[in-house]
Amino acid sequence: ETGVTQTPRHLVMGMTNKKSLKCEQHLGHNAMYWYKQSAKKPLELMFVYSLEERVENNSVPSRFSPECPNSSHLFLHLHTLQPEDSALYLCASSHHDRGPGELFFGEGSRLTVL
Amino acid sequence: SQQGEEDPQALSIQEGENATMNCSYKTSINNLQWYRQNSGRGLVHLILIRSNEREKHSGRLRVTLDTSKKSSSLLITASRAADTASYFCATDRGGTSYGKLTFGQGTILTVHP
Repeated sequence: ETGVTQTPRHLVMGMTNKKSLKCEQHLGHNAMYWYKQSAKKPLELMFVYSLEERVENNSVPSRFSPECPNSSHLFLHLHTLQPEDSALYLCASSHHDRGPGELFFGEGSRLTVL
Repeated sequence: SQQGEEDPQALSIQEGENATMNCSYKTSINNLQWYRQNSGRGLVHLILIRSNEREKHSGRLRVTLDTSKKSSSLLITASRAADTASYFCATDRGGTSYGKLTFGQGTILTVHP
């Protein structure tokens, strides 16, 4: 148990569906991240939120829409995805501007787009 | 090209042997971190070494950092079957990039009982 909880753990959706991934951290951190892990590729940073403000959008397609309503919760809204978006989506949190930058990850949401 | 690149891509050893994984990177860094990932799970932080440190130990883990060569190594001593996992290095460039790590592709370690 890392203190970062992701739901659902597995998700299968069609290309026309709309779904959301949820992440919750119980560590008192003030920065949250979405990473994408595809087969045979390094982890790709998608979004960073610091103090609930988006500070990074790494050229992610608009079919991925993040939301950070408070410092403990992070969502990734998904719509009209493509099969190549199938991947493990990892949420992480950290203390921004305090400490060395160690990330605490959730267990991930395995997404399959049909 | 990737900021962090691990070598080898895969490593297979017997229980009790030592495992050494290497990481190279390209830009200056604030710190370098190593993470472990069991199949299909989240990443777990193992150890962090700052740019002004050369060596660090944590239990059976030993990490070295050579900033002149832009490289790091992770040594796992007396390996166990439970050490079987993927290991990733990640670099933190600090400054405005603070906390935004760049990961390598990882080394898949298999420890045979």
